[in-house]
Amino acid sequence: EVQLVESGGGLVQPGGSLRLSCAASGFSVSGSYMAWVRQTPGKGLEWLALIYSGGNTDHPDSVKGRFTISRQDSKNTLYLQMSSLTEEDTAVYYCARGNPFGPSSLGMDVWGQGAAVIVSS
Amino acid sequence: DIQLTQSPSSLSASVGDRVTITCRASQNIADFLNWYQQKRGKAPELLIFGTSTLQSGVPSRFSGSGSGTDFTLTISNLQPEDFATYFCQQGYSTHLTFGGGTTVEI
Repeated sequence: EVQLVESGGGLVQPGGSLRLSCAASGFSVSGSYMAWVRQTPGKGLEWLALIYSGGNTDHPDSVKGRFTISRQDSKNTLYLQMSSLTEEDTAVYYCARGNPFGPSSLGMDVWGQGAAVIVSS
Repeated sequence: DIQLTQSPSSLSASVGDRVTITCRASQNIADFLNWYQQKRGKAPELLIFGTSTLQSGVPSRFSGSGSGTDFTLTISNLQPEDFATYFCQQGYSTHLTFGGGTTVEI
């Protein structure tokens, strides 16, 4: 079964750091592009990071320098390292697989269950 | 970044209705537009990619159309399981962006 399982969410103090993990099964994380997306009631869905099969990465300016996507092929796991967190980073964080059947439109066909991150003192 | 504006933000409909949701892009995105369905407490699910191609397993009552800046998601013969929030997402730019969502309510 193709599946993504996230872990690492939780409560963190402002200014702190957190690393989210996303373990894949049923496919290889290096075989397609992978993404991180977060969701808040106020800002909706917000794309955070992309990593392509070749290893190139991209982040929006809003998190560049604070958030970093990476993967460990031997563990078939995707990561999102987050630093200098503020209350505005409170959200549910999703990892997602790039749609292998329509990669040109950069859609995402498999999503994790979501990891809640709460930034609060 | 490319902005996506969905309308309406919410709508009320009944089982059996035909529903149309619009997504407008701030610039030409060709056909690089995807649609997702999200139910409460769950992750989004891909419905349509490349403007009009149904994801495997998605019922044929869902359809997508458009090009350039104006896109439409249509649900014909609305079913109880279709009451959810729908999002569009562009992949023309690698800086992906999403629409604000449309909630379909009973």
